[in-house]
Amino acid sequence: DQQVKQNSPSLSVQEGRISILNCDYTNSMFDYFLWYKKYPAEGPTFLISISSIKDKNEDGRFTVFLNKSAKHLSLHIVPSQPGDSAVYFCAADGGSQGNLIFGKGTKLSVKP
Amino acid sequence: IAGITQAPTSQILAAGRRMTLRCTQDMRHNAMYWYRQDLGLGLRLIHYSNTAGTTGKGEVPDGYSVSRANTDDFPLTLASAVPSQTSVYFCASSASWSSYNEQFFGPGTRLTVL
Repeated sequence: DQQVKQNSPSLSVQEGRISILNCDYTNSMFDYFLWYKKYPAEGPTFLISISSIKDKNEDGRFTVFLNKSAKHLSLHIVPSQPGDSAVYFCAADGGSQGNLIFGKGTKLSVKP
Repeated sequence: IAGITQAPTSQILAAGRRMTLRCTQDMRHNAMYWYRQDLGLGLRLIHYSNTAGTTGKGEVPDGYSVSRANTDDFPLTLASAVPSQTSVYFCASSASWSSYNEQFFGPGTRLTVL
């Protein structure tokens, strides 16, 4: 059973508007979450993270919100730019192994 | 430029052949990981190493082996490749085993097993 879920395979947004990417998780023991961005033919790159002791973390145009009671987090990109077009992966702290548990990803397309 | 390198970039392999995917990092990170990315399944952990000399199994370890003889290198070996191992393989590293440390990913190896 998938522990980190990204239910939207794709999202299309107009340049300048807000992009909202969603992620749900099932394991209440997860206490650290990350977003990675991936361009074609490249490895994922770290974008932003949030600890479970916070409900919001902001870095420039990127903000991650965490709702622990709903086991839900979201990534907001404002304003969206064509260069933001990529696949975005949500990941959670996997525990003792130190690994990350990834969602399936959401492909964001930002149209000029 | 500091980072992670993977080789080869891509490979087509006949089923039953042995193959080693190479991964080298120059950041002196203690922890290293191998993931596979399959369409619709995201990235799944194959094996990991918390420090040189130690390795562990991830979510999908069957058919793969790893070694960590030193800090920098973490090769992944397919002893006898099967078509279901067709995937894109990513090596990653982090300063320590804790997930509170950002993981850095290599560019990936695209492997096709026929």
